[in-house]
Amino acid sequence: QVQLVESGGGLVKPGGSLRLSCAASGFTFSDYYMNWIRQAPGKGLEWVSYISSSGSVIYYADSVKGRFTISRDNAKNSLYLQLNSLRAEDTAVYYCAREFSAWDNYFDYWGQGTLVTVSS
Amino acid sequence: EIVLTQSPGTLSLSPGERATLSCRASQSINSNYLAWYQQKPGQAPRLLLYAASSRATGIPDRFSGSGSGTDFTLAVSRLEPEDFAVYYCHHHGNSPYTFGQGTKLEIK
Repeated sequence: QVQLVESGGGLVKPGGSLRLSCAASGFTFSDYYMNWIRQAPGKGLEWVSYISSSGSVIYYADSVKGRFTISRDNAKNSLYLQLNSLRAEDTAVYYCAREFSAWDNYFDYWGQGTLVTVSS
Repeated sequence: EIVLTQSPGTLSLSPGERATLSCRASQSINSNYLAWYQQKPGQAPRLLLYAASSRATGIPDRFSGSGSGTDFTLAVSRLEPEDFAVYYCHHHGNSPYTFGQGTKLEIK
């Protein structure tokens, strides 16, 4: 069965860095586009970043552009998000999610999320 | 950027009643790129509907979707206790993908 398991969250000071990982299993990871979505405590969902199956196409939300970097290692069935220059407003649960297909690109599977807390 | 506005913010109903949730887009969108998700406390969102009206695998037929252009609706015909949750609409046609702010469906 499809599984997405995030890790790497934690408490970090403003201006600090963190690297999130998403381990995929139960499907051919290299065939799928992937995304990161976040949810601040008690708030709604915010799309963060997208990466194509090969990693050649990448998009970011304006709120994280220049500070976050998405990447993937298809050999390791893993998705990553490097978070730099963190701010208090980046505090959120970060989810990885799979797109169903290139044309039907809704999110059909989500991980359970990892919490990032930015505080001094 | 497509802005999605959901209404109402909170909907209070009783089990067995019908729920109607609205999602309005800031400009006309292709209905193939409108999805709905359900989220319960402490859980990840779960895909309910895609292409505005197609149910995802395992979703009961009491959930239905409709709409086109700028106005979309999620309906739950007969509320079960497990249906009380937060619902989000989602536009995934192009970057940046966007979500509505959510509608909380609570037990009256």
